[in-house]
Amino acid sequence: EVQLVESGGGLVQPGGSLRLSCAASGFTFSTYEMNWVRQAPGKGLEWFSFISPSGSPIYYADSVRGRFTISRDDAKNSLYLQMNSLRVEDTAIYYCARKTVGTVYFDYWGQGILVTVSS
Amino acid sequence: QSVLTQPPSVSGAPGQRVTISCAGNNSNIGAPYGVHWYQQLPRTAPKLLIHDINNRPSGVPDRFSGSKSGTSASLAITGLRAEDEADYYCQSYDISLSAWVFGGGTKLTVL
Repeated sequence: EVQLVESGGGLVQPGGSLRLSCAASGFTFSTYEMNWVRQAPGKGLEWFSFISPSGSPIYYADSVRGRFTISRDDAKNSLYLQMNSLRVEDTAIYYCARKTVGTVYFDYWGQGILVTVSS
Repeated sequence: QSVLTQPPSVSGAPGQRVTISCAGNNSNIGAPYGVHWYQQLPRTAPKLLIHDINNRPSGVPDRFSGSKSGTSASLAITGLRAEDEADYYCQSYDISLSAWVFGGGTKLTVL
């Protein structure tokens, strides 16, 4: 059974940093593209980061480029998101989402983790 | 402001048929990247419902179907059931933005 489990969320002050993790199981993690998608409270879904199976290429949405860094450790079957210079508008539920190479959709999602940026 | 445009809400009685529209342009839905749909039940993560216009992953009932015409797409739900009450999102890839994009979501209420 495919499972994606996010961790590392919480409350952080504006300008602060946080690192999210996504533990994968039930599939060959190293062969899949991985993404981060977020959902602000009461709002819709926003894709913002992608990493290929080899670790390159990496893509970011304009809203996070230069502040967030996506990475992966295939030996640990884990995806990471380093978030720096956090803003109030980064408050959201953060989901890791799997994508098969050659497709354009996200076939499995984690349960999500809440990040709250507030003073 | 989402790249793909969906109605904020739709509703229907049990057993009825409802459709949810998703409007885009030639950079996303009109491009050869397909359109995909997700169901988000209350307080849960999104789940893939339809991919590549009208393909259902294993376990998704055939009451759910999709279609596309030009730069717009639709999700149809027949035989509406109480458990279908959820938020539904369309998604595509936008070649101009070089980004995966979503619609703003449509809340389905089963009356």
